[in-house]
Amino acid sequence: GQQVMQIPQYQHVQEGEDFTTYCNSSTTLSNIQWYKQRPGGHPVFLIQLVKSGEVKKQKRLTFQFGEAKKNSSLHITATQTTDVGTYFCAGPRDSNYQLIWGAGTKLIIKP
Amino acid sequence: DAGVIQSPRHEVTEMGQEVTLRCKPISGHDYLFWYRQTMMRGLELLIYFNNNVPIDDSGMPEDRFSAKMPNASFSTLKIQPSEPRDSAVYFCASSRPGTGRTEAFFGQGTRLTVV
Repeated sequence: GQQVMQIPQYQHVQEGEDFTTYCNSSTTLSNIQWYKQRPGGHPVFLIQLVKSGEVKKQKRLTFQFGEAKKNSSLHITATQTTDVGTYFCAGPRDSNYQLIWGAGTKLIIKP
Repeated sequence: DAGVIQSPRHEVTEMGQEVTLRCKPISGHDYLFWYRQTMMRGLELLIYFNNNVPIDDSGMPEDRFSAKMPNASFSTLKIQPSEPRDSAVYFCASSRPGTGRTEAFFGQGTRLTVV
């Protein structure tokens, strides 16, 4: 069945270092969405990418959608403690609006 | 809008008891999703509704789980009888894809503990 794979599962960084998470879909996606879940919180929508090769930025966050619309990445420059949480990608299942979720990448700031 | 509202926020119950989780979606949203999140299994879709009609319940783990959406502003997820392995955070989310934006808006979740 349709799957969205996300790596890595965890990433430990020193504050100020960069962070990247990658998503790969088994099928072409009409769009890909990114969410952030803070510890103890709920997933919160960050952004949606629709176009092949699209790149969007939100301050220190850069989101990319691959040319084939099957992969995506989120890159955070110079991480801060406020970036801590789990980042999920999600894409709509073929022919309906149900989202297929990646497993998430947990960003951990080393003390 | 207050967003998606779930109740209760926390529920502790004994094994064998019935548990009912409640959700009020964002007004005007025609899709409603129930998710379960655990450390082991991550975020799992249990069931979703479109215009109050259940579309896909293939994620419901077993017959002990049932969900209803009697009207556009209310949904319930019921577990009867509950078991310790049902302990998880249950999220409700809603969306309105007809606007061209398919993102899901999540409630704050219900943390269920079955002892």
